[in-house]
Amino acid sequence: GENVEQHPSTLSVQEGDSAVIKCTYSDSASNYFPWYKQELGKGPQLIIDIRSNVGEKKDQRIAVTLNKTAKHFSLHITETQPEDSAVYFCAASRGDYKLSFGAGTTVTVRA
Amino acid sequence: DAGVIQSPRHEVTEMGQEVTLRCKPISGHNSLFWYRQTMMRGLELLIYFNNNVPIDDSGMPEDRFSAKMPNASFSTLKIQPSEPRDSAVYFCASSLPTGSQKKLFFGSGTQLSVL
Repeated sequence: GENVEQHPSTLSVQEGDSAVIKCTYSDSASNYFPWYKQELGKGPQLIIDIRSNVGEKKDQRIAVTLNKTAKHFSLHITETQPEDSAVYFCAASRGDYKLSFGAGTTVTVRA
Repeated sequence: DAGVIQSPRHEVTEMGQEVTLRCKPISGHNSLFWYRQTMMRGLELLIYFNNNVPIDDSGMPEDRFSAKMPNASFSTLKIQPSEPRDSAVYFCASSLPTGSQKKLFFGSGTQLSVL
């Protein structure tokens, strides 16, 4: 089955700086890569996703890049704000209902 | 829309007791998922329903776990008898069949503690 590894497990950044989270996947047939944000006491919320026919996607301060050859994808958050503090999960799927999640990255934005 | 609604938010029970977790998916969503989240194992898919029919229950840990979806607006996850190792946060999620990828909408979860 699919194995998704996520790094780092924790990330502390100064407000206004950028944050980068990296994930690798094992199944070359995976073609859908969503990112979820989980705030304390809440369920994960989809923030951005990318399909394998696209190399990069951007939505305001967040962007995701995908390297199919190397089988890795990354989340970039620019101009970080305190409300960006949360746990972020990457995931991979073959395009069906099964999502394989990474272990999560706890991001703390220092004021 | 109110989103996916789960109840209760917190459940504390004693080992051996029956536990029932409830979920109301987003109206119009025809896919429903139950996930379990723990520090050790992360987010695990327990069971997936499509149009109220269980499609994949391979993630259900053992016979003590069962799930039902009697109609499009309600699902339950039952643990009987409960054990301390069942302590976790249980999430329900729903989705539309958007293309071939399913964008999941999660509820706020049920924090289960089995003493």
